[in-house]
Amino acid sequence: GAVVSQHPSRVICKSGTSVKIECRSLDFQATTMFWYRQFPKQSLMLMATSNEGSKATYEQGVEKDKFLINHASLTLSTLTVTSAHPEDSSFYICSARDPWTSGSYNEQFFGPGTRLTVL
Amino acid sequence: KNEVEQSPQNLTAQEGEFITINCSYSVGISALHWLQQHPGGGIVSLFMLSSGKKKHGRLIATINIQEKHSSLHITASHPRDSAVYICAAPNSGGSNYKLTFGKGTLLTVNP
Repeated sequence: GAVVSQHPSRVICKSGTSVKIECRSLDFQATTMFWYRQFPKQSLMLMATSNEGSKATYEQGVEKDKFLINHASLTLSTLTVTSAHPEDSSFYICSARDPWTSGSYNEQFFGPGTRLTVL
Repeated sequence: KNEVEQSPQNLTAQEGEFITINCSYSVGISALHWLQQHPGGGIVSLFMLSSGKKKHGRLIATINIQEKHSSLHITASHPRDSAVYICAAPNSGGSNYKLTFGKGTLLTVNP
């Protein structure tokens, strides 16, 4: 299947700093990418939908000014956690939709995730 | 929003046993995902299926769209299969790509 990478895999930062996480589709062009968040022992929760060339769509309760999403190209979306606080510590995962998947439903491929720890 | 239920929540097996994990959802969908997550590790996409059955190595996934139910089977289980297995379904049918995830099934395979 297609490959989606995330960088970095782990990051530790001080409270108040900003952290950027990259999500790349390596062998296909993704018009849509999704960002998820997972707290320990909980399910993945969708944070936002990132569309290439347009503004991201955020889920209810997700602060758009805190979690900045940029989908500047068909293979790259970035999530920037601004002014990070310890409660932002979590596992962040992206997925990318392959519009060329055959059939009526385009498959999503998941990145390996980024573990953010805010001290 | 789709309600996605997985069972069992926890499963312990001996090496070599046949494993079945079940997933039910409430809204008719066009496809369903099975994912694997190792402790402290990332997500691996196992299957996306919209009908029938798919097989990859010792893993088999089946789906019954009419009954809104999918199963993931592992044959000849091995300790390295120990992980959390998650099913995810789109929030509606058609081309809606927002996914709702089950809470996961923690599988432990003992040698």
